[in-house]
Amino acid sequence: SQTIHQWPATLVQPVGSPLSLECTVEGTSNPNLYWYRQAAGRGLQLLFYSVGIGQISSEVPQNLSASRPQDRQFILSSKKLLLSDSGFYLCAWSPPGLRRNQPQHFGDGTRLSIL
Amino acid sequence: AQTVTQSQPEMSVQEAETVTLSCTYDTSESNYYLFWYKQPPSRQMILVIRQEAYKQQNATENRFSVNFQKAAKSFSLKISDSQLGDTAMYFCAFMAYSGNTPLVFGKGTRLSVIA
Repeated sequence: SQTIHQWPATLVQPVGSPLSLECTVEGTSNPNLYWYRQAAGRGLQLLFYSVGIGQISSEVPQNLSASRPQDRQFILSSKKLLLSDSGFYLCAWSPPGLRRNQPQHFGDGTRLSIL
Repeated sequence: AQTVTQSQPEMSVQEAETVTLSCTYDTSESNYYLFWYKQPPSRQMILVIRQEAYKQQNATENRFSVNFQKAAKSFSLKISDSQLGDTAMYFCAFMAYSGNTPLVFGKGTRLSVIA
């Protein structure tokens, strides 16, 4: 069966520091991968999605970036964090290709607090 | 571009009663999928139910059912025999059949089940 791992679960970082959140999926090949942010009391905002290695689509221009160095690895990064980057970050995956009716499956999330 | 609107930021229901959460969406697509996700206090995103737009029959999953009105672009979620464990944020989501477009989420409805 497929599983998704996301870490760390909680992170406290000072303003201006770098960021690296990692997400990996097991039990499937060439998944679609997604990064979402959820601000306190708000809905989910799609940040990035990837349909393959090296293929990243950005939904919201900001100081965050994403990379997919391996088929089942998706990394969210920042060179300098802002206070507004605080929030709950969720990684998700869905099966590749034409299996369009398959929903996304989410990791447990990372709670990021910027001080 | 597709949009999803959940007009009820918060709702409450007595245990064992029935509650309906509203969702409307806007799209020019003819083939698409609709989903309801649940996010309990643990922050995990859990798929509750999904509906294919080409199916006229409303989807049901145990105590959860939807009222899908394609012409009205409405997709409400009914929870019967509400339980304390149903307390959560509920997100409505849309996914077009064409292309590799990801899910579009509404802003969510916070449901509280009261004993």
